[in-house]
Amino acid sequence: KQEVTQIPAALSVPEGENLVLNCSFTDSAIYNLQWFRQDPGKGLTSLLLIQSSQREQTSGRLNASLDKSSGRSTLYIAASQPGDSATYLCAVKGGGADGLTFGKGTHLIIQP
Amino acid sequence: KAGVTQTPRYLIKTRGQQVTLSCSPISGHRSVSWYQQTPGQGLQFLFEYFSETQRNKGNFPGRFSGRQFSNSRSEMNVSTLELGDSALYLCASSPEGGANEKLFFGSGTQLSVL
Repeated sequence: KQEVTQIPAALSVPEGENLVLNCSFTDSAIYNLQWFRQDPGKGLTSLLLIQSSQREQTSGRLNASLDKSSGRSTLYIAASQPGDSATYLCAVKGGGADGLTFGKGTHLIIQP
Repeated sequence: KAGVTQTPRYLIKTRGQQVTLSCSPISGHRSVSWYQQTPGQGLQFLFEYFSETQRNKGNFPGRFSGRQFSNSRSEMNVSTLELGDSALYLCASSPEGGANEKLFFGSGTQLSVL
C-alpha cells in the first residue's frame, strides 16, 4: 500500500526566504506526483504535476523535483511572500485504481 | 469558465440519518472524483465516475455511494451516518480522468454529524 509522508508538518519563515518542502513515498510505481495548495476552508489548487518520466517542473517561483527511484520529491519556493501561506499537499498517482494518495501536508506560514 | 461547484457548503446531520452531496464539474469535464478529508486521516479517495459509470473505488464501506448523471454532474450519498463521517468532502473533475491529467477541486461540503 502506497504511503506518502511530508516533512515538516509545519514551517514558519520570514518573508523573502527561499524554502523547501519535502515529500516521500513508499512505492516507486507511480504515474505522477502532484503538489497542491489548500487555503483554510477551501478546496485544493493544483500547483505542479510531474510525470514519472520527468525530473522537475517549474511554475513562476515554484520548482518541484522528482526522484522516483528514491521515492522523494521536493517543492522549492523562491522569495516567499505572505500570500504563500497555506497548507501544501503532495499526492501520487499510482498504478492501481485508488485515485490519488495524499500526504498529510505541510502548514506553511510566511511572516510579513 | 466556471469552476467545480459543490452544494451545499455546510451540512449538519444527526447519527443514523442519510445525506446527499452534489458536485457540478467544469463544463466539458467527464470525470468526477470524490475525496474525504479529516484531520486524523487526511485526504482519502472515495470513488471516481466517468460517463455515468463508477470507474474506481477507494476503501470505504458500502454506506458511501455515488452516481453520475448524463450531464456529468455527480452526487454522493452517505447512509446511516456515524460521528466519524464528519469531514470535508471534496469533489474534483478532469476532462477524461486520464492518469496524467490535473484535477480541479471544488471548495467542498463540510459535513458535521452530531
